[in-house]
Amino acid sequence: KQEVTQIPAALSVPEGENLVLNCSFTDSAIYNLQWFRQDPGKGLTSLLLIQSSQREQTSGRLNASLDKSSGRSTLYIAASQPGDSATYLCAVTQGGSEKLVFGKGTKLTVNP
Amino acid sequence: KAGVTQTPRYLIKTRGQQVTLSCSPISGHRSVSWYQQTPGQGLQFLFEYFSETQRNKGNFPGRFSGRQFSNSRSEMNVSTLELGDSALYLCASSLTGGAGNTIYFGEGSWLTVV
Repeated sequence: KQEVTQIPAALSVPEGENLVLNCSFTDSAIYNLQWFRQDPGKGLTSLLLIQSSQREQTSGRLNASLDKSSGRSTLYIAASQPGDSATYLCAVTQGGSEKLVFGKGTKLTVNP
Repeated sequence: KAGVTQTPRYLIKTRGQQVTLSCSPISGHRSVSWYQQTPGQGLQFLFEYFSETQRNKGNFPGRFSGRQFSNSRSEMNVSTLELGDSALYLCASSLTGGAGNTIYFGEGSWLTVV
């Protein structure tokens, strides 16, 4: 059974700092990994999708890497801003299914 | 274009009642999935529909059911509500389902069972 873990559960940083969020999964046979953002009381917003054959994806200040063999992914946020404050979730898919297996998320607070 | 639309956004039900939640996917999307989010368990997969057929189902009791219509709109139903069913129910859609698709989520339906 696939399990996804995110560490740390919460992170507080000053504005402008570069930071890394971690995600690990127990079964390396994934199809892809997706990072989401969730603001309080809201749904999820997709940030980056990494196919299993890819090593990384970039969008603006965000960079996500994937190491399938070690079962790890990182989300790098450059020059953090207060608007980045949210919960960040990673999720993986397996087989041909769209079913996402989520981690519990990292709650990020960026202080002005 | 319009995103994934879920209705109602908030509702309060009594134990033993049933509830139906609705989801309209992004135009052109044929795959719809449902998730339950609680503080303790996080996000858990309920079911996935594609072209009116359930393709995948999570580990939830039979009280949880769903369906998809020919226009890709989907509904989920929970019967005989229990206090533990209080959660945010999220609907997601994608073009064809399956791996490789970016998945888009709605804002969710907040269900409180009292």
